[in-house]
Amino acid sequence: EVQLVESGGNLVQPGGSLRLSCAASGFIFDDYAMHWVRQAPGKGLEWVSGVTWNYDSIAYADSVKGRFTISRDNAKNSLYLQMNSLRVEDTAFYFCARLRNIGGPFDSWGQGTLVTVSS
Amino acid sequence: SYVLTQPPSVSVAPGKTARITCGGNNIGSKSVHWYQQRPGQAPVLVIYYDRDRPSGIPERFSGSTSGNTATLTISRAEAGDEADYYCQVWNSRLDQGVFGGGTKLTVL
Repeated sequence: EVQLVESGGNLVQPGGSLRLSCAASGFIFDDYAMHWVRQAPGKGLEWVSGVTWNYDSIAYADSVKGRFTISRDNAKNSLYLQMNSLRVEDTAFYFCARLRNIGGPFDSWGQGTLVTVSS
Repeated sequence: SYVLTQPPSVSVAPGKTARITCGGNNIGSKSVHWYQQRPGQAPVLVIYYDRDRPSGIPERFSGSTSGNTATLTISRAEAGDEADYYCQVWNSRLDQGVFGGGTKLTVL
């Protein structure tokens, strides 16, 4: 069974930093590109960032470019999101999602971790 | 950037057919994926590549695209279908994912 478990969400002040993790199990991690998708409370889904299995391609949403960095450790079956210069508008649940194939759908999702940016 | 437009809400009577639209410039030339999200839960893929259903998704769920509109159709709607539904495509030029704003389906 595919499992994605996010962690690292917390309350942080504007301008602060946070690192999210996503532990994957139940599939061959380095066969898949992995992504982060976020959802502000009561709002819709917003794609954040994605990375191919071998770092061949990395992409970011314009709203986080230059502030967030996605990475992965295939030996540890883990995905990460380093978030710097956090803003109030970054407050959201952050979901880790597996990409079925390039151009395809997100076929597995974690339950999300909550990041709250507030003073 | 590429924009997907969904109606904020759709209502359907139990047993009837609900249609949720997703508008985008020449969306028919893209692959559209649809997700269901129940309150407090993670999204679940219900339709991919316009019309394919993952295993475990009832045949009552179907998808289509034409011109500037993609449509998720839910036949014989049930109370358990109440959820938010999101369409999604790839802005291939930028390798960026794009979601529609979401549609809240009410079965009443």
